[in-house]
Amino acid sequence: GQQLNQSPQSMFIQEGEDVSMNCTSSSIFNTWLWYKQDPGEGPVLLIALYKAGELTSNGRLTAQFGITRKDSFLNISASIPSDVGIYFCAGRISSGSARQLTFGSGTQLTVLP
Amino acid sequence: SAVISQKPSRDICQRGTSLTIQCQVDSQVTMMFWYRQQPGQSLTLIATANQGSEATYESGFVIDKFPISRPNLTFSTLTVSNMSPEDSSIYLCSVLYDSSENTEAFFGQGTRLTVV
Repeated sequence: GQQLNQSPQSMFIQEGEDVSMNCTSSSIFNTWLWYKQDPGEGPVLLIALYKAGELTSNGRLTAQFGITRKDSFLNISASIPSDVGIYFCAGRISSGSARQLTFGSGTQLTVLP
Repeated sequence: SAVISQKPSRDICQRGTSLTIQCQVDSQVTMMFWYRQQPGQSLTLIATANQGSEATYESGFVIDKFPISRPNLTFSTLTVSNMSPEDSSIYLCSVLYDSSENTEAFFGQGTRLTVV
């Protein structure tokens, strides 16, 4: 089946710093989604990407759909304490009838004051 | 987007018992899924809840252990049967909106299950 490698697994940063995390796939994806999960909550959709090369922003968050269609990254600029949480990438392959998403292993972000 | 109400939000259960988790969506949706998320881990798909027919289970998950109902396009339940401590996890329902151009998935707030 499809595999998503998400890195880094965890990050400790100072408030105000920028953050970057990425996901790579062994398969070509036609959709990349980025989620944030707070403790005790379900994942919340941050950004959705549908075209190779697409660069999309949501406030301080920016995500890109890699040109090879096998990778995506998420950047967070000027981090603040409420950015703490687990960030997941998710993708869907471009072939076949599979409707499910494949999730990355998550990046645990800690923002230090 | 979708508003997904999932309950209970948490429960502590005795081993050998069963727990039914409910998922209510504020709009009709074709595709609903149930995921399990073990502590510190990513999401693992349990099954696709099909309206009007039996759920489609992923490898490693069986209907006897995780029976699923989907009586209509806005509601589904997942039962965790004959629970053991290994079933302690977060269970999440999800809906997928899928068009020719866009795909977006939304999640309930999750059910944190502890089996003692």
